[in-house]
Amino acid sequence: SYELTQPLSVSVSPGQTARITCSGDALPKKYAYWYQQKSGQAPILVIFEDSKRPSGIPERFSGSSSGTMATLTISGAQVEDEADYYCYSTDITDDHKGVFGGGTKLTVL
Amino acid sequence: QVQLVESGGGVVQPGRSLRLSCAASGFTFSNFAMLWVRQAPGKGLEWVTFIWYDGSDKYYSDSVKGRFSISRDNSMNTLYLQMNNLRVEDTAVYYCAKTLGYCSTTSCPIGVDYWGRGTLVTVSS
Repeated sequence: SYELTQPLSVSVSPGQTARITCSGDALPKKYAYWYQQKSGQAPILVIFEDSKRPSGIPERFSGSSSGTMATLTISGAQVEDEADYYCYSTDITDDHKGVFGGGTKLTVL
Repeated sequence: QVQLVESGGGVVQPGRSLRLSCAASGFTFSNFAMLWVRQAPGKGLEWVTFIWYDGSDKYYSDSVKGRFSISRDNSMNTLYLQMNNLRVEDTAVYYCAKTLGYCSTTSCPIGVDYWGRGTLVTVSS
């Protein structure tokens, strides 16, 4: 089955840049989406269609995609950005099935 | 504003059934494909099932195909998930989610922009 691969954890100090990667064979042709999930809460969308930022999401969140890798960048990470981050894209076998990456725990301290 | 409110979760024995509902408001429900995503305790997100805006097409993950059924009532702005023959490994928080774009005549986008707060389903004897 198709998989999206993320690092288990990323750790940065406040004010540093955090980069979370997501690799998948279909990413050259399919959009990546990024979700932030804080403990005990529902996920929220932070990046859609590789690099677009929804209204209300701070400018420090950005996304990019090149080849088989999508990247979520948090420039000047804040303590409140500490959360689990999930990438999401289309299953390589079916355009109407989705797949999530395993999630990355971002620690900011 | 967009609101998605799930209900129907609870504790159920293996092999039994449960029906989840998701009441939608704040957008034109009948214009958007919808989906269910689940999260087992301490685990990551898992895509479960997807339904077109008009209910004409449905898709399922291999882990639930043949046991779960997604449906919608556009007159009631409500999404459903019928779960049959439940297994211990179906224990999870189930989230209702709205897709962020309109469908064309041949396909629907799968990206999600809004999530409900989830409802917990526990399958245990």
